[in-house]
Amino acid sequence: SQQGEEDPQALSIQEGENATMNCSYKTSINNLQWYRQNSGRGLVHLILIRSNEREKHSGRLRVTLDTSKKSSSLLITASRAADTASYFCATMTQGGSEKLVFGKGTKLTVNP
Amino acid sequence: DADVTQTPRNRITKTGKRIMLECSQTKGHDRMYWYRQDPGLGLRLIYYSFDVKDINKGEISDGYSVSRQAQAKFSLSLESAIPNQTALYFCATSDLRSEKRELFFGEGSRLTVL
Repeated sequence: SQQGEEDPQALSIQEGENATMNCSYKTSINNLQWYRQNSGRGLVHLILIRSNEREKHSGRLRVTLDTSKKSSSLLITASRAADTASYFCATMTQGGSEKLVFGKGTKLTVNP
Repeated sequence: DADVTQTPRNRITKTGKRIMLECSQTKGHDRMYWYRQDPGLGLRLIYYSFDVKDINKGEISDGYSVSRQAQAKFSLSLESAIPNQTALYFCATSDLRSEKRELFFGEGSRLTVL
């Protein structure tokens, strides 16, 4: 069964706006990762946040983690048309075999 | 050249046929994975291998088998393909020595079973 659930399933915004995607998970984690997938292509790693971290930044990306609520959010600031893609969270569970379990993804469309 | 290469990229086959999807990597990573992606379902883990002698089932291994021929090669087989195995299949690798544990994906193999 899948660990992470992204919300919303789809998001459409205008260029320049911020995009926020949320991920909820069920069990204790070692880390949570966000990946991006352009249509029909392989996934690309964006950012990792460990269970003892609350916030991380990478360029226009900001990730937060709330382990008490078992949730994470990915914020993309000043979005561009090139950010159009699907975004997936993936969790690595604590004490497990270090395999990543992916959510179903959020499809982001950034309109020019 | 891509670090993680999958072949074939596209394949159409008939029910009952045996199919092999191949994955090779030049990243020198120990760990390799096979995932399946279906619309609206995200990625689901089929099998994974942490070294040449280690093979583990994922959440949806029924109907699939794998072979880790070398550190750089990990093949996925469908012994007798059925239509509900129509999907986009991804191979991925990760580095045991990396703190990040991030996955590096191939470009995918799109399989259609008629």
